[in-house]
Amino acid sequence: DAGITQSPRHKVTETGTPVTLRCHQTENHRYMYWYRQDPGHGLRLIHYSYGVKDTDKGEVSDGYSVSRSKTEDFLLTLESATSSQTSVYFCASMGQSHTEAFFGQGTRLTVV
Amino acid sequence: TQLLEQSPQFLSIQEGENLTVYCNSSSVFSSLQWYRQEPGEGPVLLVTVVTGGEVKKLKRLTFQFGDARKDSSLHITAAQPGDTGLYLCAGVGTGTASKLTFGTGTRLQVTL
Repeated sequence: DAGITQSPRHKVTETGTPVTLRCHQTENHRYMYWYRQDPGHGLRLIHYSYGVKDTDKGEVSDGYSVSRSKTEDFLLTLESATSSQTSVYFCASMGQSHTEAFFGQGTRLTVV
Repeated sequence: TQLLEQSPQFLSIQEGENLTVYCNSSSVFSSLQWYRQEPGEGPVLLVTVVTGGEVKKLKRLTFQFGDARKDSSLHITAAQPGDTGLYLCAGVGTGTASKLTFGTGTRLQVTL
């Protein structure tokens, strides 16, 4: 199995506080992605990266920012958490072959 | 914006029945991936199709990529309770950034 881990796995935070989720992969994959998954929805793309310091917005990027200073790490930051950002967040990485994305275990974030 | 619409959203069938899930878009993709997701876990790859018109079989599952590389289908023959889960299609964009966009998902329940 590809080595991709997310931290933390669970977090409860208060409205208005900044939150950073971390994704770490050991496969030297070029591409990394952050998604959120809500009940009744598939995976919605927040931001993605196609190399160190190369990132772009997905369909639901408002209120989120990302950084990728190293190939193995992709950070997702909620600048000022809101209740609408309560969700399960998944990170994924994919290699140059584009044949498969590998997912972390997910982070369950609750904003109260 | 690359949107992938899946249909149906929900499907409840009895063991032994056949079913087809559709994944449609107005965008062209370099490849199309199908995943299955269990509750509390990240998606796991079933298959990747790359060439327009390609058909791949995985035991009772048959996957097809449209000739124009804009749509795909998943056909399950003689469904079993073990097939129950969330099925997701995902398209890899044609640009160098390799944006990976997921479909809206199809929740399948197979009962005895």
